[in-house]
Amino acid sequence: DAKTTQPTSMDCAEGRAANLPCNHSTISGNEYVYWYRQIHSQGPQYIIHGLKNNETNEMASLIITEDRKSSTLILPHATLRDTAVYYCIVRVANTGNQFYFGTGTSLTVIP
Amino acid sequence: GAGVSQSPSNKVTEKGKDVELRCDPISGHTALYWYRQRLGQGLEFLIYFQGNSAPDKSGLPSDRFSAERTGESVSTLTIQRTQQEDSAVYLCASSSQTGLYGYTFGSGTRLTVV
Repeated sequence: DAKTTQPTSMDCAEGRAANLPCNHSTISGNEYVYWYRQIHSQGPQYIIHGLKNNETNEMASLIITEDRKSSTLILPHATLRDTAVYYCIVRVANTGNQFYFGTGTSLTVIP
Repeated sequence: GAGVSQSPSNKVTEKGKDVELRCDPISGHTALYWYRQRLGQGLEFLIYFQGNSAPDKSGLPSDRFSAERTGESVSTLTIQRTQQEDSAVYLCASSSQTGLYGYTFGSGTRLTVV
């Protein structure tokens, strides 16, 4: 699976949009981009995934560049409960293989 | 069940003792994964079960670690002769066969070896 690069940490003001970047310049055509987050003392939680098109669900939006070499996870109105480590992972789907979690981005939402 | 259930939630054991950790996956999920997370670190893959196929044990750190799964149900992770470096949160996750929509994780078992 392709490697990803994320900033180590970010801050965001409460109520503002949090934009978390991820670089995956070696992504293959059959690899999806997945985002998870891990709130302190809990197991990771699936947020969203996409292949080429931008995706939106009740938690977040995922913007994937046209060349698919980078993506951005957007939390439209960050709350204090969004403080967590956010992991960007690329993975071939339809294989059931394991996800490789990197070190992620530690997002702190500031009141 | 509605979610992935792990037990116990906390376990303190003496160095050299064996421990057994349990994971109940979501009903119908054929894939089951174990990860380890040491304090302040990322998730470390341990083992993966997919239906009745042979498990992928490539992440197990030593022969003191083993895991079993009966069919598509409960899994147990066993650590023999525990060492202090085994102290960590052990996380279990399950997914559909393809995992397209990601995993669902349990809350983990916090193991402390004293």
